[in-house]
Amino acid sequence: DAGVTQSPTHLIKTRGQQVTLRCSPKSGHDTVSWYQQALGQGPQFIFQYYEEEERQRGNFPDRFSGHQFPNYSSELNVNALLLGDSALYLCASSITWGVTDTQYFGPGTRLTVL
Amino acid sequence: QQQVKQSPQSLIVQKGGIPIINCAYENTAFDYFPWYQQFPGKGPALLIAIRPDVSEKKEGRFTISFNKSAKQFSLHIMDSQPGDSATYFCAASTGNQFYFGTGTSLTVIP
Repeated sequence: DAGVTQSPTHLIKTRGQQVTLRCSPKSGHDTVSWYQQALGQGPQFIFQYYEEEERQRGNFPDRFSGHQFPNYSSELNVNALLLGDSALYLCASSITWGVTDTQYFGPGTRLTVL
Repeated sequence: QQQVKQSPQSLIVQKGGIPIINCAYENTAFDYFPWYQQFPGKGPALLIAIRPDVSEKKEGRFTISFNKSAKQFSLHIMDSQPGDSATYFCAASTGNQFYFGTGTSLTVIP
């Protein structure tokens, strides 16, 4: 049983560019959450997708957008990249209405903005 | 505003010692409190979690103590090993939204 997978592993972009990160949830999971983790900090919630809709959103600007596909996989898009967007982007999957609230994290995508 | 406050920021113990990491929260709507372990370059991995209806939970060498009235919870690592050296995050959630602490960097000296 594959866990949460993310691609790519690393990415280097320049300011002003746009980036798309991808996530495949753990088998049987229907909910995907995205987090930004700056160096030396805890993960910060960006948003969560369930049933192909954005269900909850953290304190992030509209430059951050996402999508969930019918197979529950998800994409995170960031437009007009800033230097401060450099971080590890984590995807976590879970089951809405499941027995547990546990979120399982992928290995992350390291984004560097130059 | 930090929803979950974690301390200490870093911790160094000898092999076999019992490091203790503490977290505090304000939102009484939180109903699930997991701890995650993260190694450099990797995503956080779930260690152990607790709900507020119990005061303690043990899984292997890891124990969570939970004080609902004080709105505090802590992680104890028994018989710590050098392989436990990592960053530990507490978290709290209501529904599916998780709030993480700022992390504790643990070093276990052989």
